[in-house]
Amino acid sequence: GAGVSQSPSNKVTEKGKDVELRCDPISGHTALYWYRQSLGQGLEFLIYFQGNSAPDKSGLPSDRFSAERTGGSVSTLTIQRTQQEDSAVYLCASSLRSLTYEQYFGPGTRLTVT
Amino acid sequence: AQSVTQLDSQVPVFEEAPVELRCNYSSSVSVYLFWYVQYPNQGLQLLLKYLSGSTLVKGINGFEAEFNKSQTSFHLRKPSVHISDTAEYFCAVRPSGNTPLVFGKGTRLSVIA
Repeated sequence: GAGVSQSPSNKVTEKGKDVELRCDPISGHTALYWYRQSLGQGLEFLIYFQGNSAPDKSGLPSDRFSAERTGGSVSTLTIQRTQQEDSAVYLCASSLRSLTYEQYFGPGTRLTVT
Repeated sequence: AQSVTQLDSQVPVFEEAPVELRCNYSSSVSVYLFWYVQYPNQGLQLLLKYLSGSTLVKGINGFEAEFNKSQTSFHLRKPSVHISDTAEYFCAVRPSGNTPLVFGKGTRLSVIA
């Protein structure tokens, strides 16, 4: 079946602009995760959604970052007033249920802030 | 907080040679361990995982890893690499309980013909 998809694949934006990154999880997966992959820094956990529970936002680096998940499926990560240090690849993953299940990753969105 | 250390940021190796990618984690009562591979311009793909049981875990593409609790290590090995193994490899840990994965910074494996 279809895997996790993300859009856009690449995004270039000017400093100070807002951006929205989209993630479509695998159908039937109730858990969804966002990570940030910066050059030489590995993957940094941002936020985790599980069903209708309140999301785990403990990894969001600042209040400029927010995410929502509508209808338990598609998720949007929003970065307000982008800064150059926000430049990274943003990866989305989903799993069948909770964190105990294998996570399947999307191809990522490469964000460049100029 | 849990942390993961991948000791080598880059590992060049000749084709058909063996390779070991090292991973150490900070100790915890119990952890689950994972290796992911990321091919160029692609998302992460699970190579193998250790949840419990045998400490030697076999994964896809001929890779295997051994969980060593006393050394808090989970090194990844392959006896003979191919050009197609060129990729970035990430070690990850999930402490017991409902907590997110913690990733290492990755090791870039370059296989040379």
